[in-house]
Amino acid sequence: EAGVVQSPRYKIIEKKQPVAFWCNPISGHNTLYWYRQNLGQGPELLIRYENEEAVDDSQLPKDRFSAERLKGVDSTLKIQPAELGDSAVYLCASSPGTGVPDTQYFGPGTRLTVL
Amino acid sequence: RKEVEQDPGPFNVPEGATVAFNCTYSNSASQSFFWYRQDCRKEPKLLMSVYSSGNEDGRFTAQLNRASQYISLLIRDSKLSDSATYLCVVNMWNGYSTLTFGKGTMLLVSP
Repeated sequence: EAGVVQSPRYKIIEKKQPVAFWCNPISGHNTLYWYRQNLGQGPELLIRYENEEAVDDSQLPKDRFSAERLKGVDSTLKIQPAELGDSAVYLCASSPGTGVPDTQYFGPGTRLTVL
Repeated sequence: RKEVEQDPGPFNVPEGATVAFNCTYSNSASQSFFWYRQDCRKEPKLLMSVYSSGNEDGRFTAQLNRASQYISLLIRDSKLSDSATYLCVVNMWNGYSTLTFGKGTMLLVSP
């Protein structure tokens, strides 16, 4: 079974540029998460989707970050404009969303460097 | 106070050693608990869930003390391949899961 797929794996941009990350969750997983992991820290949730609905985006910096999950499958996370402090690994995770606490499966992440 | 606090690392141990990681959490309403493993420049992967009764998976033993809001992970007979960062994770359930991760504790097992 294919795991969570993310692209690109690495991205280097200059500050003030836009950037987008793409995630394809495990087939059949209704719940999708975007996390940010700074160096030496654990992942922090940015946004969570149940199918195509964003049910928790309280930690998403909405002035520059946006996300979408059209058709309840793939998702994109966008930053515009990027700032130096946005350098981090952006992790996408998915879970079956069966209504009980279930395991989240993480993708390999996109490592963003903002110069 | 951070929601999930772990031992600062790294832990440097020889092969065959026993090592224990500690974790505390601040939200007493937390409902389920996990240890995730993260290899260098890789994604986190579930190592094991943690139950109040304690649970064991081979060389790994996890314990939960709800009264003290304390979680532990014990690794016996350390292998080189155990070298990784171990993340303590706490789950809140409000109709959906919200995982809160600790910073992680790095383990380095040397020959």
